[in-house]
Amino acid sequence: DVKVTQSSRYLVKRTGEKVFLECVQDMDHENMFWYRQDPGLGLRLIYFSYDVKMKEKGDIPEGYSVSREKKERFSLILESASTNQTSMYLCASSFGPSGMGETQYFGPGTRLLVL
Amino acid sequence: KNEVEQSPQNLTAQEGEFITINCSYSVGISALHWLQQHPGGGIVSLFMLSSGKKKHGRLIATINIQEKHSSLHITASHPRDSAVYICAVSRGAQKLVFGQGTRLTINP
Repeated sequence: DVKVTQSSRYLVKRTGEKVFLECVQDMDHENMFWYRQDPGLGLRLIYFSYDVKMKEKGDIPEGYSVSREKKERFSLILESASTNQTSMYLCASSFGPSGMGETQYFGPGTRLLVL
Repeated sequence: KNEVEQSPQNLTAQEGEFITINCSYSVGISALHWLQQHPGGGIVSLFMLSSGKKKHGRLIATINIQEKHSSLHITASHPRDSAVYICAVSRGAQKLVFGQGTRLTINP
């Protein structure tokens, strides 16, 4: 079974802090994604990566950066956390660039509260 | 208007009822996905389909490419089916575009 793990289930941070959310997958997947999920807005893509050290902006990249130094690990960084970044953050991975919209496997999510 | 629209947004039913959740999309797609999210957050992929119909246990997913419409059916619904069901489409690349989800509650 594919396993996608996230470093924390719940996180409380203060405005202005630098926040790291980490995601690890154990199936040698090429693609990894970071989403945020907010009531009424559904899932929105922040960044994705299709290879080590490669990244592309999603729909809402402002205020975020990412790092993918190893294939299995994809980190989301909030450079200076703000209250409007309070949300559920979900990581996902998928196998490779088939171009056919492959199944994505999701981690359990990190619920971040910025005070 | 969202590229992916789901209906209804909320659905409450009694155990045993036949459930239908609908998804309409406005763009060309390479595949459509149905996902399930239980309270607590974890998301599980139920189906990926690009034509016709797929069945897994009590769940059935259909898609009509010409009408840009998909349905997810649950037969003999059970309280453990209570979850948010999310429709998403992919457009040839790896990114998904998500609907806002349908919150399903099955009462015993």
